[in-house]
Amino acid sequence: AQKITQTQPGMFVQEKEAVTLDCTYDTSDQSYGLFWYKQPSSGEMIFLIYQGSYDEQNATEGRYSLNFQKARKSANLVISASQLGDSAMYFCAMWYNNAGNMLTFGGGTRLMVKP
Amino acid sequence: NAGVTQTPKFQVLKTGQSMTLQCAQDMNHEYMSWYRQDPGMGLRLIHYSVGAGITDQGEVPNGYNVSRSTTEDFPLRLLSAAPSQTSVYFCASRRSLAGGLNEQFFGPGTRLTVL
Repeated sequence: AQKITQTQPGMFVQEKEAVTLDCTYDTSDQSYGLFWYKQPSSGEMIFLIYQGSYDEQNATEGRYSLNFQKARKSANLVISASQLGDSAMYFCAMWYNNAGNMLTFGGGTRLMVKP
Repeated sequence: NAGVTQTPKFQVLKTGQSMTLQCAQDMNHEYMSWYRQDPGMGLRLIHYSVGAGITDQGEVPNGYNVSRSTTEDFPLRLLSAAPSQTSVYFCASRRSLAGGLNEQFFGPGTRLTVL
């Protein structure tokens, strides 16, 4: 079965510093995609970044980058220059060629940015 | 574009009551899905649909029914509510590509409490 693991239930980071949120996945499929979503205290799910399994370059979106290590099956999110507004839950998710390509989510990491 | 809309935002039910959570999207997406999020956890797939008239079960389908009579609407029915169904419910939609970015757009969520 496909599985997404986020091993850090909670993390603190100092404002303006960089932080890495870990995500490992388990799949035997060759074609898959990895997402990161942010969920602030207001509850909505905000798309941050996407990495396809065949993408050779690591994805970047502004202050977000995805450190994709295919052989290790890891897809860590790096947030540079943390801001107070980055405090939220962060979820790693994967689609794979099953179940209508719907997403499987990890358990999440709560990030708290200290001023 | 309203995106993905969900009603109601909040609902309290008594054990044994039935109700329908509404979900609609105006992006002409073929794929729609329902997830539940329990406190401190990631999202789990309940049911999904790959087009009008086609539905299938996800990871946690028991106690829920769905139908998809139009592309726009994908209601979720609780047949006989139980306290274990207390959760936040998210509806999502996306285009029907087999792969690629394929971002899932989420509704704002429905917070359901079953007493």
